[in-house]
Amino acid sequence: SQQGEEDPQALSIQEGENATMNCSYKTSINNLQWYRQNSGRGLVHLILIRSNEREKHSGRLRVTLDTSKKSSSLLITASRAADTASYFCATDPLNRDDKIIFGKGTRLHILP
Amino acid sequence: DAGITQSPRYKITETGRQVTLMCHQTWSHSYMFWYRQDLGHGLRLIYYSAAADITDKGEVPDGYVVSRSKTENFPLTLESATRSQTSVYFCASSDNSRKLLFGSGTQLSVL
Repeated sequence: SQQGEEDPQALSIQEGENATMNCSYKTSINNLQWYRQNSGRGLVHLILIRSNEREKHSGRLRVTLDTSKKSSSLLITASRAADTASYFCATDPLNRDDKIIFGKGTRLHILP
Repeated sequence: DAGITQSPRYKITETGRQVTLMCHQTWSHSYMFWYRQDLGHGLRLIYYSAAADITDKGEVPDGYVVSRSKTENFPLTLESATRSQTSVYFCASSDNSRKLLFGSGTQLSVL
């Protein structure tokens, strides 16, 4: 079964608005990562947050992690048309079995 | 060029045939992964490798075989292709940072 589950499955917002995606997971983690996938392309790493971190920023991206709730959120501020893509969370487990497991993703569509 | 290369980009085959998807990385990354992506399932881990000659099963390994005789190569073989293996296959690699770098994918159709 998949470790991470993103919510919502799909999201449409107006350009300029903020987009928030959530990820819930099941087991203890070493870190959690977010990736972006443009249509027909491979995934691109966006940001990694370690289990001892609560918040991390990278440009217009803000990621939070709540290990007590086993959840993370990705916030994209001031969205742009180029942000239209699918976003996936991936968990790197604490037990170091080396598996990096992805969720099903959130499809984000930025409306002009 | 440095990077991770998957071949072929597209493949059509028939049920029962053996198919090998190639993955080559030039970073000397220890870790390599194979995922399949299907609508409604996201990415599912098939097999992964922590180093040369070390491989392990992921979430959906049945029907697949991998090998890793060299650090840079991680081929995925479908021993007897089935229609349910029609999918987009992604190879990825990482160093100890555990940030995955993905290839462009192989779109496989099994008729």
